[in-house]
Amino acid sequence: EAQVTQNPRYLITVTGKKLTVTCSQNMNHEYMSWYRQDPGLGLRQIYYSMNVEVTDKGDVPEGYKVSRKEKRNFPLILESPSPNQTSLYFCASRSSGTKSSYEQYFGPGTRLTVT
Amino acid sequence: AQSVTQPDIHITVSEGASLELRCNYSYGATPYLFWYVQSPGQGLQLLLKYFSGDTLVQGIKGFEAEFKRSQSSFNLRKPSVHWSDAAEYFCAGPNFGNEKLTFGTGTRLTIIP
Repeated sequence: EAQVTQNPRYLITVTGKKLTVTCSQNMNHEYMSWYRQDPGLGLRQIYYSMNVEVTDKGDVPEGYKVSRKEKRNFPLILESPSPNQTSLYFCASRSSGTKSSYEQYFGPGTRLTVT
Repeated sequence: AQSVTQPDIHITVSEGASLELRCNYSYGATPYLFWYVQSPGQGLQLLLKYFSGDTLVQGIKGFEAEFKRSQSSFNLRKPSVHWSDAAEYFCAGPNFGNEKLTFGTGTRLTIIP
């Protein structure tokens, strides 16, 4: 089954404790992105990657890091989480090439709470 | 700049009634547009998409949307809603070049018996 998986689905942590949220897709997609969702703000892009070793900032990159060492994986790293990073996080992927590839496939989300 | 606007934050509809959720876009060229649905505690599921051609697009779960260039709109419709349609709905369009989907702020749909 074609899918994007994220782990963990739920995470409660304390300020300053480094954490990583994993994202993996099995569709051989080139493009991957991270979004955060906050009430009244919709979804905002944090980082994106156009292929292995190619990443770039989205709209709200502060406080986050990413890496793309393998095509299927795109982990999101919070080196020193703060309470304002409490949010619902989504990973997404899409293929390149045709118009229909602009459709993005989303993971199930990771609800992060930073106390 | 490319943008997508959903003017309605919250809509309440009776079960069995018709539904229309509004979406307005601001794009220079013919846009690609999407509607996603997010059920409580769930991820985002694609309802339908528009790339070009026929301006009336059919999607899953009985939804359809009509692209109207003259009104810069891509409204989502359903002739008869079911209680299971209660969810949050997002209109979105891609920003070419940075792989971002620009989302509207969402419309929360409540269904009453």
